[in-house]
Amino acid sequence: VHLVESGGGLVQPGGSLRLSCAASGFTFSTYWMNWVRQAPGKGLVWVSHINQDGTNTNYADSVKGRFTISRDNAKNTLYLQMNSLRIEDTAVYYCASDLRIPPDYWGQGALVTVSS
Amino acid sequence: QSALTQPASVSGSPGHSITISCTGTSSDVGGYNSVSWFQQHPGKAPKLMIYEVNNRPSGISNRFSGSKSGNTASLTISGLQAEDEADYYCTSFTRSSTWVFGGGTRLTVL
Repeated sequence: VHLVESGGGLVQPGGSLRLSCAASGFTFSTYWMNWVRQAPGKGLVWVSHINQDGTNTNYADSVKGRFTISRDNAKNTLYLQMNSLRIEDTAVYYCASDLRIPPDYWGQGALVTVSS
Repeated sequence: QSALTQPASVSGSPGHSITISCTGTSSDVGGYNSVSWFQQHPGKAPKLMIYEVNNRPSGISNRFSGSKSGNTASLTISGLQAEDEADYYCTSFTRSSTWVFGGGTRLTVL
C-alpha cells in the first residue's frame, strides 16, 4: 500500500498550490479520504474529507472557502486545491484513509511553506 | 471546532501503566463512538492504535486499550515498553460531520 503526496513547496501569502496524493495497493475508490496537516513542532489538525464518489465533502472552519478537496478514482488520486494561502497554513500535509476504522493508510506528507 | 483536550505530557516507568485522557463535548466525543487514537513517532506518519472507542486494529498489542465515559475518552497503555515512547492523538467525529483532533500527548518512558 502506498500513498504518495506531491505538489508541496514554497508559496507567498495569498498564493495557491495543489497537492496530489497518488494511491496504490488498495481499492482507493471504496475509501473515504482525508487531508490532515501538522505545523512544524505542533499537533495533528484535520483539514478535509471526501466520500467514495466525491459527492460529499467537509472542511475545517480554518480552511472553508479557501481549500477544495477532490478525487479522481480513475487515476486513484486525491487532490487538495489550496487558495488564498496564509502563513498559518504552513505545515506538512498528509493524505490519509478513513479515520474511523482500520486499515489506516497515510502518506509520507508534503511540506507546504507559506512565506514572503 | 475546538481541539479536544489532552494532557501535554505523561510519563511512566517500563512495565507500568499510563492513561491519556481526551475531553470533548456532547457534539463530538460524547455524542459518537467514532473515537480513534493515533500514535506518532518523530518524523513518521501517524498509526491507528484504537478505533471506535475500544477496538484494536489487527496487529496492535493488547497492551493498548480504550474507553469512554461521557465526554471523555481514554487510552490506557499497560506494561509500558521503550518503543511506546511517542506522541498520541485522539480524534472524534463531530456533529458537523467533520473530525477534530486532540492537541496531542507526549509519552515519555522513564
